[in-house]
Amino acid sequence: GQSLEQPSEVTAVEGAIVQINCTYQTSGFYGLSWYQQHDGGAPTFLSYNGLDGLEETGRFSSFLSRSDSYGYLLLQELQMKDSASYFCAVRVGMDSSYKLIFGSGTRLLVRP
Amino acid sequence: DGGITQSPKYLFRKEGQNVTLSCEQNLNHDAMYWYRQDPGQGLRLIYYSQIVNDFQKGDIAEGYSVSREKKESFPLTVTSAQKNPTAFYLCASTRTGGLNTEAFFGQGTRLTVV
Repeated sequence: GQSLEQPSEVTAVEGAIVQINCTYQTSGFYGLSWYQQHDGGAPTFLSYNGLDGLEETGRFSSFLSRSDSYGYLLLQELQMKDSASYFCAVRVGMDSSYKLIFGSGTRLLVRP
Repeated sequence: DGGITQSPKYLFRKEGQNVTLSCEQNLNHDAMYWYRQDPGQGLRLIYYSQIVNDFQKGDIAEGYSVSREKKESFPLTVTSAQKNPTAFYLCASTRTGGLNTEAFFGQGTRLTVV
């Protein structure tokens, strides 16, 4: 079967750096994505890694190691507005029929 | 502006009733998805569709049904066979070409059984 594992909760201080890990067990892997969801809202796309290495988008970076079935999201210069849930997601299957599955999410609490 | 529209935002269902949640997109995306989210939980896949007139079951399809008669529309029916339907339902769409599968989500429908 398919599974993604993330820590359930992380707490950090404003201005700090936090890393949210994701390990996955899937077949037909086609990349790892990260999404942010504020309470009561819809998830919004943050980043995508199709190949090994680091992708940087402003304060957010994401890393992928396909050999280790592992990735992480790195949030720098944390702000209060970053308090939200973060989900890793993987695309599995083939181009003609694939699905997008999500981890259980990591709730990030940023303290002053 | 392109996007995904879900309606209604809030829905109340009596025991034994079927209800249909609407999802419409004008992004010209081929793939559409329905997810269920329970409080403090992740997104669980109910059904997905890659193309018109075709759809596949996700991980928790029991008690739900869908149709894909038009590219823009992917309605979800929560049937009376779904024993615990109270949840937040999210519809999403993606392109099918390329590797980056950025998903665009609607604002969700919060369903409550009364």
